[in-house]
Amino acid sequence: DAGVTQSPTHLIKTRGQQVTLRCSPKSGHDTVSWYQQALGQGPQFIFQYYEEEERQRGNFPDRFSGHQFPNYSSELNVNALLLGDSALYLCASNRPPGQETQYFGPGTRLLVL
Amino acid sequence: SQQGEEDPQALSIQEGENATMNCSYKTSINNLQWYRQNSGRGLVHLILIRSNEREKHSGRLRVTLDTSKKSSSLLITASRAADTASYFCATDAGGSNYKLTFGKGTLLTVNP
Repeated sequence: DAGVTQSPTHLIKTRGQQVTLRCSPKSGHDTVSWYQQALGQGPQFIFQYYEEEERQRGNFPDRFSGHQFPNYSSELNVNALLLGDSALYLCASNRPPGQETQYFGPGTRLLVL
Repeated sequence: SQQGEEDPQALSIQEGENATMNCSYKTSINNLQWYRQNSGRGLVHLILIRSNEREKHSGRLRVTLDTSKKSSSLLITASRAADTASYFCATDAGGSNYKLTFGKGTLLTVNP
């Protein structure tokens, strides 16, 4: 039973560029959430997707956008990268109803230079 | 903003000792979860306790929840070097709020 997978594992970009991160949920899960974790901090909720729609959004600017595909996989897009976007980006999946336990992937470490 | 706040920020113990970490939160919740993270990797779910539960056990883990004080504790008994990691509590915010809110975590070091 495959867990949550994310790609790529590491990424280096320069300021102003755009990046796309990918996530495949755990088998049987249809809800995907994205979190940003800065160094030394806890994860911060970016948004959650269910039935291909953004269900809830955290306090992140519109530069952060996402998408969920019919197979439940998801993408996180960040435009106009800033140095402060350097972080570990975590994807989590769960199965409704309710949020219950979210299962996390290994993350994508993004470095913006 | 961070709803959960773990205490202490760092804890260093010897193998075989017990480790206790605390978490406080601000708003009403449906449930509280504890996660472990090794060296900046993905989070591993440890245990979930619902708002109507007071105590829960899983192997060497014991979690308590006091909703009147808006606090929880995680006890790891007979710690091992492999328990070295950061531990986070995460809360929902009740109702239909789907996001998890994490604290800054407790860094636990278990010395052999």
